[in-house]
Amino acid sequence: DIQMTQSPYSLSASVGDRVTMTCRASQGIAGWLAWYQQKPEKAPKSLIYGASSLQSGVPSRFSGGGSGTQFNLTISSLQPEDVATYYCQQYNSYPRTFGQGTKVEIK
Amino acid sequence: QVQLVESGGGVVQPGRSLRLSCAASGFTFSRYTMHWVRQAPGKGLEWVAVISYDGDNDYYADSVKGRFTISRDNSKNTIYLQMNSLRPEDTATYYCARDRGEVPAADDALDIWGLGTMVTVSS
Repeated sequence: DIQMTQSPYSLSASVGDRVTMTCRASQGIAGWLAWYQQKPEKAPKSLIYGASSLQSGVPSRFSGGGSGTQFNLTISSLQPEDVATYYCQQYNSYPRTFGQGTKVEIK
Repeated sequence: QVQLVESGGGVVQPGRSLRLSCAASGFTFSRYTMHWVRQAPGKGLEWVAVISYDGDNDYYADSVKGRFTISRDNSKNTIYLQMNSLRPEDTATYYCARDRGEVPAADDALDIWGLGTMVTVSS
């Protein structure tokens, strides 16, 4: 199975800050990587697919990059509504696996 | 609008069975692969199972293989998760989710999620 490792486990930043989190795959997955946002007590929401393509309706301050084994999710200007846990998931092969999540808070 | 609504959760004793349902609306259900994903209280997301658009293919996480069965009824726009031999570690909120890859596209990321249904396995 492909293991997904996210870092950091949590981060705290100020409104307007640029925030970046990373996701590493235990083996190459090309660009078959998605990011999901889960706000407290809510269902997950899809943000990015194909490592860098935004789902419809997702604000442009979110961006994704990377390929192979190293990926990142960036929020260009952190907003209060971005407080959430962010998960990466590989869909290169089954079983599909998620990272353990990065929790984003406002300082 | 595109919507997924899970049902069937509840409290069940270890070793018993439960069947979850996920009703879809707002899109051509029979053209999409569908998934179940779960989240234990205070924990991260865990992918559970997938079923192809036509029901011919399915895959499972090792943690549920042999105990859970995913199925679908395209005439009812519904997928199911039959959960047998339940264990306390199966306690979680179960989400159904749509694969964004519409036939004939290959498997893709998840794009639509339901609100989830809670399953508690406890004596």
